[in-house]
Amino acid sequence: GESVGLHLPTLSVQEGDNSIINCAYSNSASDYFIWYKQESGKGPQFIIDIRSNMDKRQGQRVTVLLNKTVKHLSLQIAATQPGDSAVYFCAEITGFQKLVFGTGTRLLVSP
Amino acid sequence: GAVVSQHPSRVICKSGTSVKIECRSLDFQATTMFWYRQFPKKSLMLMATSNEGSKATYEQGVEKDKFLINHASLTLSTLTVTSAHPEDSSFYICSARDPTATRHNEQFFGPGTRLTVL
Repeated sequence: GESVGLHLPTLSVQEGDNSIINCAYSNSASDYFIWYKQESGKGPQFIIDIRSNMDKRQGQRVTVLLNKTVKHLSLQIAATQPGDSAVYFCAEITGFQKLVFGTGTRLLVSP
Repeated sequence: GAVVSQHPSRVICKSGTSVKIECRSLDFQATTMFWYRQFPKKSLMLMATSNEGSKATYEQGVEKDKFLINHASLTLSTLTVTSAHPEDSSFYICSARDPTATRHNEQFFGPGTRLTVL
């Protein structure tokens, strides 16, 4: 399943499913994007990044897709596990070298 | 990877008092540290950028006299919430930039501090 939302939407999946989390970013001049995972009561944890001169990047079980035409970013998690349950944020680096975070998506993985 | 710690992890204080939160880079020197604020079920909002040895740069709408930031060394930045009020209750997260990190402008995040003002 996939999720698009404006304010902390929730994506519920079964263990083993593939998850797709979407994000719309705001600044067409941003040249670097990062996905973070945040577990309850903790700080954000880096997952994967992508530069604006790329449209796809793969990591271990995760893939990030970038569509600059529509300013859209997605995170795909393969074979989702209960330990993947968290809130996921996309973030963009602006021209001022600041991180601007998106609204976030809560991923719930049931066994 | 680089480790950033925060202290305390949780703090409860009375309205009108001041609270200091520490952010430390444990295994690297951070020339730049950042302070974020996060309300429940919301995203992280940058409050200020702190450069070692100079004044912090605050984001629009953040009161610099209320949120005092000191970055006196390459491994420590502090955020003091002065005359705290219940509306200051939030999750405060710091991050530190490691200038030697291979990733572009990578920030390493602390575990956050939960502030509750009664």
